[in-house]
Amino acid sequence: GAGVSQSPSNKVTEKGKDVELRCDPISGHTALYWYRQSLGQGLEFLIYFQGNSAPDKSGLPSDRFSAERTGGSVSTLTIQRTQQEDSAVYLCASSWMEASDYTFGSGTRLTVV
Amino acid sequence: RKEVEQDPGPFNVPEGATVAFNCTYSNSASQSFFWYRQDCRKEPKLLMSVYSSGNEDGRFTAQLNRASQYISLLIRDSKLSDSATYLCVVEGGSYIPTFGRGTSLIVHP
Repeated sequence: GAGVSQSPSNKVTEKGKDVELRCDPISGHTALYWYRQSLGQGLEFLIYFQGNSAPDKSGLPSDRFSAERTGGSVSTLTIQRTQQEDSAVYLCASSWMEASDYTFGSGTRLTVV
Repeated sequence: RKEVEQDPGPFNVPEGATVAFNCTYSNSASQSFFWYRQDCRKEPKLLMSVYSSGNEDGRFTAQLNRASQYISLLIRDSKLSDSATYLCVVEGGSYIPTFGRGTSLIVHP
C-alpha cells in the first residue's frame, strides 16, 4: 500500500485479556518501529526491527509485551494480560533505511477497561 | 538531562507572526534530525529534515547547531492551519529515533 497500515484502529478490551495489534509497513521499508503515546504524553519507544537482524527490544515495558515481524514485512505487537495502564495509542512507523525519515500509521487506540 | 528536550509551550501567536522553537539534544553522536508535526489525535507527520547546512521549505526554516547541540524551527507568516504540536526528532546513532515531548503552537485570528 501507499502508507503504513495499522489495525484495528480502535480496540477496547477487558483487563487481563490478550490483544494483538498489527502493522503493515510501506513496501520496501526495511526498518519498523513501535511506539506508544499516552494521552498528552510524548512518544515512548517500544521495539525496533531492521531487516532480518534481531530486534531491539530495549523499550518494551514488561515481559507482557512482545512483537514479531514475519518475512521482513508485517509486524504484530502482542500485549498479554492487559492492564489499565496499557491504555494508549500504539503507533507503528517504517523507514526505507536506518536514519531516513519515518512514516507513521494512524495508530491503534487501545482502551483497557 | 533528557535526551531530547523541548519547551512544551503553548506558544500563542496571531496570524502573520513569526515564531521559533528550539530543541536541545544530549547525544553528541546524533546524526539525523527531523521536525514532525502532530495534529490532535492524529499520527506524527514529517515536516522537514534538518541538514547541517540548514534548510528552508516555504515559510519554514530549520537549522542545526552541532556545537551547542540544538536544532531550531522558524515559522514565518503563521497561518491558522499551522496550529499543531511540533515534535523534534533525533536519531542518536542507534538507529532508534528519540522524540521530544513536543511544542504546542496555537495561531489565533
